[in-house]
Amino acid sequence: SQTIHQWPATLVQPVGSPLSLECTVEGTSNPNLYWYRQAAGRGLQLLFYSVGIGQISSEVPQNLSASRPQDRQFILSSKKLLLSDSGFYLCAWRVQGYEKLFFGSGTQLSVL
Amino acid sequence: DQQVKQNSPSLSVQEGRISILNCDYTNSMFDYFLWYKKYPAEGPTFLISISSIKDKNEDGRFTVFLNKSAKHLSLHIVPSQPGDSAVYFCAASLPWDDMRFGAGTRLTVKP
Repeated sequence: SQTIHQWPATLVQPVGSPLSLECTVEGTSNPNLYWYRQAAGRGLQLLFYSVGIGQISSEVPQNLSASRPQDRQFILSSKKLLLSDSGFYLCAWRVQGYEKLFFGSGTQLSVL
Repeated sequence: DQQVKQNSPSLSVQEGRISILNCDYTNSMFDYFLWYKKYPAEGPTFLISISSIKDKNEDGRFTVFLNKSAKHLSLHIVPSQPGDSAVYFCAASLPWDDMRFGAGTRLTVKP
């Protein structure tokens, strides 16, 4: 069966520090991968999605970036965090062409 | 650019009654619509979906209705149970594998 791992579960970082969140999927090949963010009291905002290794589509201009170095690995990064980067970050995957999206357990990021 | 909208941030219903959650969309290219349920500090879990070629899909206590002409869909939960209390997200999928979510509706089912 397919599983998705996302870590860490919680993270407290000072403003201006770097960020690296990692997500891996097991049990499937060539999945579409997604990063979403849920800010406090708001909905799910699509940040990045990838349909293959090295292929990244960005939805919102910001100081975040994403990379897909391996088929089932998706990384969210920042060189310098802002206060506004605080939120609940979710990694998700789905089989290409299949309608269901499966989410990881999320990372609560607090930038202080 | 909010292509999927949930205009009610919260809904409160009595246990045993019907819960109706609404969602509107603007992009006629969406081919699938989904509902997700989310508890605090957890990832959303899939609840039910409907293809754009259908107008109704039912799964146990959950039914989703799609009105393409109005670009509107709704989720009905009957009967509502306290365990249904959560945030519900409406989502819409594009053929090229993009998926957009609404802002969510917090459902509270009172015993």
